[in-house]
Amino acid sequence: DAGVIQSPRHEVTEMGQEVTLRCKPISGHDYLFWYRQTMMRGLELLIYFNNNVPIDDSGMPEDRFSAKMPNASFSTLKIQPSEPRDSAVYFCASGWGYNEQFFGPGTRLTVL
Amino acid sequence: AQSVSQHNHHVILSEAASLELGCNYSYGGTVNLFWYVQYPGQHLQLLLKYFSGDPLVKGIKGFEAEFIKSKFSFNLRKPSVQWSDTAEYFCAVSSPSGGSYIPTFGRGTSLIVHP
Repeated sequence: DAGVIQSPRHEVTEMGQEVTLRCKPISGHDYLFWYRQTMMRGLELLIYFNNNVPIDDSGMPEDRFSAKMPNASFSTLKIQPSEPRDSAVYFCASGWGYNEQFFGPGTRLTVL
Repeated sequence: AQSVSQHNHHVILSEAASLELGCNYSYGGTVNLFWYVQYPGQHLQLLLKYFSGDPLVKGIKGFEAEFIKSKFSFNLRKPSVQWSDTAEYFCAVSSPSGGSYIPTFGRGTSLIVHP
């Protein structure tokens, strides 16, 4: 198994632009998680899905953030419009509920 | 809501020193416990986990952790650290019945090992 796949690995964009991060979970996992990691705030859970349905999005910082999971093998996290304070590493993880999570390599986002 | 506390935010050790990182959680029911490691520039990887049975759990790379239910703790230990153990360490807790079903992560502890 290739593990959790994220793209792009690095993204540099200018303030105001739309950013779309992509994730392919491990096949068979029924939960998918999006995290943001910064030096200041550590690892933050943004949103998670169960069987493609968003369960808890209370961690999404603002309406500028949105996430979708149209099928079991794909999810996106979109930021529109992006701001410099959104600069962070965004991790996608998948797993089976209360069991361990498998993390992707992350997307390092820089908003200028 | 369930919470996880890692009291040591930064730890600096010399090679061959012993390591113990603290992890405490708030939920009093049945819990599953995890330690993850994040090496510089990489993603989180599972070090070890506890679901039931022997409260002393052995993981990869010589790490172990002990579940002490009465203290709500799951501390991570290694008798002799190496320079390559420099990383961020995260404790996580989930509960299949009550509490938080999905793992809740602690703030993380940064470990620096000097050669």
